[in-house]
Amino acid sequence: RKEVEQDPGPFNVPEGATVAFNCTYSNSASQSFFWYRQDCRKEPKLLMSVYSSGNEDGRFTAQLNRASQYISLLIRDSKLSDSATYLCVVISTGGFKTIFGAGTRLFVKA
Amino acid sequence: EAGVTQFPSHSVIEKGQTVTLRCDPISGHDNLYWYRRVMGKEIKFLLHFVKESKQDESGMPNNRFLAERTGGTYSTLKVQPAELEDSGVYFCASSLSGLGADTQYFGPGTRLTVL
Repeated sequence: RKEVEQDPGPFNVPEGATVAFNCTYSNSASQSFFWYRQDCRKEPKLLMSVYSSGNEDGRFTAQLNRASQYISLLIRDSKLSDSATYLCVVISTGGFKTIFGAGTRLFVKA
Repeated sequence: EAGVTQFPSHSVIEKGQTVTLRCDPISGHDNLYWYRRVMGKEIKFLLHFVKESKQDESGMPNNRFLAERTGGTYSTLKVQPAELEDSGVYFCASSLSGLGADTQYFGPGTRLTVL
């Protein structure tokens, strides 16, 4: 089993749609969680950190459920520019090793 | 402020040759990380420097890979001799602190193709 697993995708949605991505992690001692965005043939860029209390940044909302070892990302009112691969990233304890999920590809269509 | 830079952007070499990748972190960032993404797979951690010291090199695939960060500034990753399975995109990232919650800033990557 992979340490970080994401919805395989791709997700094809129309502009204006709401889309949700899920991610699960296997190490219960993991301590930090992030969503990164990666455009085609580009480097990953931090989208947002994920906190137990949940956090929101404009159209993006991230949630963490430690009990279920589950992270989510909700994108409201999708834009064409949201088309990208979304990477779930988990930092393990004891050395702060960074573990990436395989990513979920999102296509937003006009 | 300049971001993380990597050189070269692309490298095509033959099996058995040597390649050296370079990463220049953001100025003042003591923490430097190397990652690799092979086709169809997730990005995988290779190693983590704090200044010039290797904090964690548990992700290095084998002894054909050698990373250095002399002087605690830029870092190099040498692959010698290169094998076909080494093909992929090598990303470098840097962060101000090594704490788990700290943002890592990624460079554009070096796309390595071994023929």
